Amino acid sequence: DQQVKQNSPSLSVQEGRISILNCDYTNSMFDYFLWYKKYPAEGPTFLISISSIKDKNEDGRFTVFLNKSAKHLSLHIVPSQPGDSAVYFCAASASTGGFKTIFGAGTRLFVKA
Amino acid sequence: DGGITQSPKYLFRKEGQNVTLSCEQNLNHDAMYWYRQDPGQGLRLIYYSQIVNDFQKGDIAEGYSVSREKKESFPLTVTSAQKNPTAFYLCASSQRISVSGELFFGEGSRLTVL
Repeated sequence: DQQVKQNSPSLSVQEGRISILNCDYTNSMFDYFLWYKKYPAEGPTFLISISSIKDKNEDGRFTVFLNKSAKHLSLHIVPSQPGDSAVYFCAASASTGGFKTIFGAGTRLFVKA
Repeated sequence: DGGITQSPKYLFRKEGQNVTLSCEQNLNHDAMYWYRQDPGQGLRLIYYSQIVNDFQKGDIAEGYSVSREKKESFPLTVTSAQKNPTAFYLCASSQRISVSGELFFGEGSRLTVL
C-alpha cells in the first residue's frame, strides 16, 4: 500500500516555463513533507520542505503547496531551467513515528532548452 | 567536509554469496538508514537505526542484515536469502531529534548479481 503517490512518472517542460510536480498521500498522521532531487547515479539531495501547519513554502524558484484536506502537495519550479532535469521524490514523515520517511516513486522532469 | 560515504560504488556478486555495503558518516547524526531503489518504485526502507546498538526493520528487511556498533557506521549485508538483490542501495542519516526529518544521502552503491 503506497502511502505517498506520485502518479506522473515523467514530465516534460520548456525552459523558462513552470514545472508542476504533484504528490498525494493517504496517511493523515504525516505532518512534514519534503521534496528531494536526484541525478543519475547519485544520492537524493534535499530541496524544500513544508510543515503541515503551513500551506505554502517558497525558496527561490521553488515553491511547495500543501492542501491537507485533499492530502495533496505540489512542487512548482519557476522558471524551469535545463539543470532542473532530474528525478524528484516527494516524501512524508510523521513526527510521532520517529524518523521513518516514506518516499513516492518519483517523477522524472525533463526541461528542454 | 561532513557527509556520508558509501562503498563500493559498484559491486558484482555471484548468486549465493553474501556481500556487505559500507556506510560511514561524519555528520554526528544519531539516526541512519538503508534504502533500496528500483525502477518505478522509489525508495523503500530496508533497515534504520536510531542509536548505537539498536536497529529496526523497515518495509523490506527480508534477506538483509545490519549492525550499528559505532555511531558513524551502519553496514548493510545483502545475504543469499535476498531473492532479488540487484538494485541501487542508498544510505542516509538524520539528526535524532529533527522536526524536519531531512535525510542526508550518500552517493549510493549499485549491486549487480550475476
